[in-house]
Amino acid sequence: LAKTTQPISMDSYEGQEVNITCSHNNIATNDYITWYQQFPSQGPRFIIQGYKTKVTNEVASLFIPADRKSSTLSLPRVSLSDTAVYYCLVGLSGGSYIPTFGRGTSLIVHP
Amino acid sequence: DTEVTQTPKHLVMGMTNKKSLKCEQHMGHRAMYWYKQKAKKPPELMFVYSYEKLSINESVPSRFSPECPNSSLLNLHLHALQPEDSALYLCASSPGDGLNEKLFFGSGTQLSVL
Repeated sequence: LAKTTQPISMDSYEGQEVNITCSHNNIATNDYITWYQQFPSQGPRFIIQGYKTKVTNEVASLFIPADRKSSTLSLPRVSLSDTAVYYCLVGLSGGSYIPTFGRGTSLIVHP
Repeated sequence: DTEVTQTPKHLVMGMTNKKSLKCEQHMGHRAMYWYKQKAKKPPELMFVYSYEKLSINESVPSRFSPECPNSSLLNLHLHALQPEDSALYLCASSPGDGLNEKLFFGSGTQLSVL
């Protein structure tokens, strides 16, 4: 099962761009990379998913290099409401999808 | 409807009680999941149901008993729990086609065992 490694915490200020990198050295050929956001006492919420290169949606961008051993979630112009824990997941194991969360990155956005 | 609904939102139970957590989705998803989350920790996978059959049990103690009555419902039956089982219990669903799965989570049940 591909294990993920992320920074434990990050600090930023309102209006800045935040980049959170996730390492997944053992990613399998068929694995997609998925990022979730979680606020306290709530379930995680899907943010973005990608397989290679770059994916962008209305809330974030995901950059994946050619070797796919890492990925970077980019949050443009963060606000206080982006303070949350961010998790990256890669899920396949032996052909079965086992979505296992790593420790995640706690992002704190300051005024 | 892109919601996963969990009930109850809060539950307090004694160690001798029997209770059940319920989860419902109407997105036509064929995979459903139970996670346990302690404070300031990541969610821990407990069970996975795929097409209404239990496909993964992550060595969960037998005092937790999952049930999937149909493709929209998922229950977690609780019996003889310990205080250390107090946690946020999260239900999730996904389409179930196995590759680029996106999980949809409920808001969870905050369980306290006294």
